[in-house]
Amino acid sequence: QKEVEQDPGPLSVPEGAIVSLNCTYSNSAFQYFMWYRQYSRKGPELLMYTYSSGNKEDGRFTAQVDKSSKYISLFIRDSQPSDSATYLCAMSASGNQFYFGTGTSLTVIP
Amino acid sequence: SQTIHQWPATLVQPVGSPLSLECTVEGTSNPNLYWYRQAAGRGLQLLFYSVGIGQISSEVPQNLSASRPQDRQFILSSKKLLLSDSGFYLCAWSVQDSHGQPQHFGDGTRLSIL
Repeated sequence: QKEVEQDPGPLSVPEGAIVSLNCTYSNSAFQYFMWYRQYSRKGPELLMYTYSSGNKEDGRFTAQVDKSSKYISLFIRDSQPSDSATYLCAMSASGNQFYFGTGTSLTVIP
Repeated sequence: SQTIHQWPATLVQPVGSPLSLECTVEGTSNPNLYWYRQAAGRGLQLLFYSVGIGQISSEVPQNLSASRPQDRQFILSSKKLLLSDSGFYLCAWSVQDSHGQPQHFGDGTRLSIL
């Protein structure tokens, strides 16, 4: 079983839609959770960083962590064509080792 | 603010040739440094990480090596490239502490082996 599972998509939504991206994990020791956005031919860019369970909001983006279900989500409100990218989840127990999902490809259609 | 630079952005090399990819970080001291390879649909594969000058941990035995000659410089090398070394190579840094500080990535080098 992989440490982190992420549906690769692709996901296609109309502009203005609410997007939900998800990852599941198996290691209950994970307590730091990240979402990255990666545009084509670019490196991943950190979008959200959360510790333990709960919600975190930043503009149109909301990250949710449910440690009891080992499930994390990223919501994008009022999606824009500029949100079209691949979204990677990542997590860590502590220290230097990080585990990444394989990424979900998102296209927002104008 | 901190920035990370990777070069070159694109590289085409013949099989059997040597490789040197460089990564530098500005605006921070004593960072953790990482080299990843990203293959389509397969996520990020950690190749090497470093917690200090001259300290390199290898995650995957292969044709590549890494060095950290200065605090904020990380180099990925190969003496003889293989076809299987083609891919997108990413350098990343993070603050060195025990609290799972997130990684920050450069814009990568797309390496094609002919």
